[in-house]
Amino acid sequence: ETGVTQTPRHLVMGMTNKKSLKCEQHLGHNAMYWYKQSAKKPLELMFVYNFKEQTENNSVPSRFSPECPNSSHLFLHLHTLQPEDSALYLCASSQVPYEQYFGPGTRLTVT
Amino acid sequence: GNSVTQMEGPVTLSEEAFLTINCTYTATGYPSLFWYVQYPGEGLQLLLKATKADDKGSNKGFEATYRKETTSFHLEKGSVQVSDSAVYFCALSDKDTGRRALTFGSGTRLQVQP
Repeated sequence: ETGVTQTPRHLVMGMTNKKSLKCEQHLGHNAMYWYKQSAKKPLELMFVYNFKEQTENNSVPSRFSPECPNSSHLFLHLHTLQPEDSALYLCASSQVPYEQYFGPGTRLTVT
Repeated sequence: GNSVTQMEGPVTLSEEAFLTINCTYTATGYPSLFWYVQYPGEGLQLLLKATKADDKGSNKGFEATYRKETTSFHLEKGSVQVSDSAVYFCALSDKDTGRRALTFGSGTRLQVQP
């Protein structure tokens, strides 16, 4: 595998479910990011991790819980989501302070 | 704070037409500037970048020049193809602020008709 990978690519979950999104980067970068992309809205930065430490949390509701066990892996744990949380969730990595490389995203639908 | 402003879309062009997508920025320091492209159903891909004033980034026939005097980084292509239909995002990285994340514009959708 090369670049940034994300699994699953598509996820449908009910409001009471618990699920996790996974991101892995194979680029040796030291920072990882979660973004939310909703239809007709700007790209929203959710979380930033640098060397496994969270450095930004942009007022994200607690039903989204990130985890970064090492510089190559990033998870987003989801629980009791709302329909308005349906979106494309994008993971990215970078070698700070340079450009970011994105994964293909997970299309999440909350029913 | 930093910000990026892009022209609103959609931009609709015929094949082989000339493309310009405007991007202007506000930054406290001396940012690096980027254009990303997102094809349907995919993540964002880095298209080109420029790291200092008067630099020209280019890739796949697309070009953008870092203009510090006008705080702009407009994307151009001389002859678009149907396969260029996508959403284009302008972004900046201001390492002087110590912030690691990029600041993105809202994106401009390009539709190229055969």
